[in-house]
Amino acid sequence: DQQVKQNSPSLSVQEGRISILNCDYTNSMFDYFLWYKKYPAEGPTFLISISSIKDKNEDGRFTVFLNKSAKHLSLHIVPSQPGDSAVYFCAALYGGATNKLIFGTGTLLAVQP
Amino acid sequence: GAGVSQSPRYKVAKRGQDVALRCDPISGHVSLFWYQQALGQGPEFLTYFQNEAQLDKSGLPSDRFFAERPEGSVSTLKIQRTQQEDSAVYLCASSLARGVTEAFFGQGTRLTVV
Repeated sequence: DQQVKQNSPSLSVQEGRISILNCDYTNSMFDYFLWYKKYPAEGPTFLISISSIKDKNEDGRFTVFLNKSAKHLSLHIVPSQPGDSAVYFCAALYGGATNKLIFGTGTLLAVQP
Repeated sequence: GAGVSQSPRYKVAKRGQDVALRCDPISGHVSLFWYQQALGQGPEFLTYFQNEAQLDKSGLPSDRFFAERPEGSVSTLKIQRTQQEDSAVYLCASSLARGVTEAFFGQGTRLTVV
């Protein structure tokens, strides 16, 4: 049972335009949501997070929106740059004693020059 | 070190062989996680340590998988009698404390069982 879903395996956008990556989840008990970026042969690197009590968090070119009623979050990248080309993972933080992350399957973003 | 370090980067094992994967977390980080990432999938949680205590091993797929962190720093993930389905990238992550949301990942160990 996939608790965190990224239904788009890939996305292609032009440099300078907006990239929108989507993520859906099923468990309303998640405390935080995070986005990680992964280049080939490297580990995931943290990008941005949002608490479940917020609906928006912004950091430079990156903004994450959370719609709790729809159990949906999205990552907006504006403007997109070729260096943003990577796999983006949405992750939900399952609190309790562990703080473990539940990851989606990832979306491959290609930013065309 | 500056980041989470994992070794080896690549490991090829014959089916039935035992393997040991090492993780050096960021110095001072209390929390340490192991994740397994199969091809085309997202990382999946295996186990969690707080200092030397293994507080959650619910993600370990079988009793062939064993992890330890005896001194609360370096951790080893051991897989006994490897099977082909164990082929994956094994990622280690650490974070400063349990309440901190951001975890830092190592580059991973790619295990191929032939």
